[in-house]
Amino acid sequence: EAQVTQNPRYLITVTGKKLTVTCSQNMNHEYMSWYRQDPGLGLRQIYYSMNVEVTDKGDVPEGYKVSRKEKRNFPLILESPSPNQTSLYFCASSFRGTSGNTGELFFGEGSRLTVL
Amino acid sequence: KNQVEQSPQSLIILEGKNCTLQCNYTVSPFSNLRWYKQDTGRGPVSLTIMTFSENTKSNGRYTATLDADTKQSSLHITASQLSDSASYICVVTSGGYQKVTFGTGTKLQVIP
Repeated sequence: EAQVTQNPRYLITVTGKKLTVTCSQNMNHEYMSWYRQDPGLGLRQIYYSMNVEVTDKGDVPEGYKVSRKEKRNFPLILESPSPNQTSLYFCASSFRGTSGNTGELFFGEGSRLTVL
Repeated sequence: KNQVEQSPQSLIILEGKNCTLQCNYTVSPFSNLRWYKQDTGRGPVSLTIMTFSENTKSNGRYTATLDADTKQSSLHITASQLSDSASYICVVTSGGYQKVTFGTGTKLQVIP
């Protein structure tokens, strides 16, 4: 089954304790991205990756890191989490169209993070 | 600045009734527009995609329209069902697929 898998789905942590949210897709998509979703603000892009070893900042990258060492995996790293990073996080992937237009985004089920 | 605005923010309708959700965008250059459905606590799922040359596209009881001149899109839901209760998000892509702008969504509740 084609899917995007995120782990963990739920996490409660404390300020400053490094954590990683994993994301894996089995559709051989070139494009992967991370979003956070907060009430009233909608989905905001954190980082994206066009392909292996190619990453770039989205709209709200502060406090986050990513890596793309393999095509299927795109982990999100919070080196020193703070309470303002409490949010619902989504990973998504997509094929890259020949014209450069984005394909359909396939989203994971979300990871709800609480930083105390 | 690219922006996507949706209205209404929330909507309650009776089961079986129709409804229309609106999306206005100021995104340039325009590549395509998608409507996504997001069930509570789940990831969004694509319903339709509209490109510049398309005016109307249907997916079952969902019909999307696009007016590229006025930069407006609508999603019409016919004969609503309880399972239509969800948030509907308008997403516009511009200038290559890393430029994706999300609307804040319309929360639809269908009641018996």
